[in-house]
Amino acid sequence: DQQVKQNSPSLSVQEGRISILNCDYTNSMFDYFLWYKKYPAEGPTFLISISSIKDKNEDGRFTVFLNKSAKHLSLHIVPSQPGDSAVYFCAASVQRGNEKLTFGTGTRLTIIP
Amino acid sequence: EAGVAQSPRYKIIEKRQSVAFWCNPISGHATLYWYQQILGQGPKLLIQFQNNGVVDDSQLPKDRFSAERLKGVDSTLKIQPAKLEDSAVYLCASSSIGNYGYTFGSGTRLTVV
Repeated sequence: DQQVKQNSPSLSVQEGRISILNCDYTNSMFDYFLWYKKYPAEGPTFLISISSIKDKNEDGRFTVFLNKSAKHLSLHIVPSQPGDSAVYFCAASVQRGNEKLTFGTGTRLTIIP
Repeated sequence: EAGVAQSPRYKIIEKRQSVAFWCNPISGHATLYWYQQILGQGPKLLIQFQNNGVVDDSQLPKDRFSAERLKGVDSTLKIQPAKLEDSAVYLCASSSIGNYGYTFGSGTRLTVV
């Protein structure tokens, strides 16, 4: 039972354009969402997060949007840079104070110079 | 600050053999996690420690997997006996209490042949 889904295994975007990565979830108890970025042979690194009480959180070139009614979140990267090429994982947590994360399967983003 | 240290980086064993992985978390981080990432999937939590106590081990296959965190610092994860389906990257992560953006180590890639 995949509670967090990333339906696009891969995405290619031209350098300088916007990258949009999508994530859907099924568990309505999830109330905190995160994005992690992973380079080959390294562990995932935390990128940005959003609480269910918000619908948008921004950090530099990265913005995460949350649509609770649709159980959907997205990560926008603007402008995309070659160093953004990596696998991006969406993750979710059921409740504050419980740091257990449920991860999606990941989307491999390739930025084309 | 130093990151999460894991060893070994790679391990190849035959099925039915045993194997152990080691993790040294970031100094001062009370919470430590072991995740299993099978190729093409997102990381899945195996066990979560807070200090030297187990918080969640609901997804740990206890007939073959064991983990301990003596003195609330380093941790070891053991598999005995290993099966082919245990081939995966084993990721250790740590965080301060209540912090979702935890730090992962580079992982141990296990291949069971």
